[in-house]
Amino acid sequence: QSVLTQPPSASGTPGQRVTISCSGSSSNIGSNTVTWYQQLPGTAPKLLIYSNNQRPSGVPDRFSGSKSGTSASLAISGLQSEDEADYYCTTWDDSLNGYVFGTGTEVTVL
Amino acid sequence: EVQLVESGGGLVQPGGSLRLSCAASGFTFSRSWMHWVRQAPGKGLVWVSRIKTDGSITTYADSVKGRFTISRDNAKNTLYLQMNSLRVEDTAVYYCAREVGGGSDYWGQGTLVTVSS
Repeated sequence: QSVLTQPPSASGTPGQRVTISCSGSSSNIGSNTVTWYQQLPGTAPKLLIYSNNQRPSGVPDRFSGSKSGTSASLAISGLQSEDEADYYCTTWDDSLNGYVFGTGTEVTVL
Repeated sequence: EVQLVESGGGLVQPGGSLRLSCAASGFTFSRSWMHWVRQAPGKGLVWVSRIKTDGSITTYADSVKGRFTISRDNAKNTLYLQMNSLRVEDTAVYYCAREVGGGSDYWGQGTLVTVSS
């Protein structure tokens, strides 16, 4: 049972903006930075956002991250068909002394 | 080119053992913290363990503590995960990943571990 809660699904039409939430607590998101991964079907996860809002080189600026208190969000603007994937948030948990992943959100492009 | 290649997965009976390996190339392995992350079929990602550059610090998820041991051989550029007392719920694809500040930028293709009688 994950300590980070994400909506199971999100969807939008091409060009729309989609936002995915990640809800945690003071021991994880509230005191540590958040990372986001994208996982296409049948492939390994890909680093999308680190340190709450930083994009690795090569990640389109359509992807953006933010954090406020014990929650974080990933926004995908200008949704494209290739964005259909599962998205996971993750962070360190001070109480568990380990990393925790969110429950994952499946994004569908209608 | 950075590459991480896992091996060692397979079918094992409950209570059995397995050792996974992750061969690294294309970067200075000895300077990178490394992680193991697993994913049960059709389920989400679960962090398993991490190890410091020189192996002096190791951390485990509660679900595997006392049963799994992470280690590394910097001379061989290889990461390991020794898994003992395996349970059915350990069935998953196991990924190794390289940590960079704030996240893991390179992942292997994964190796499937199936625990079943």
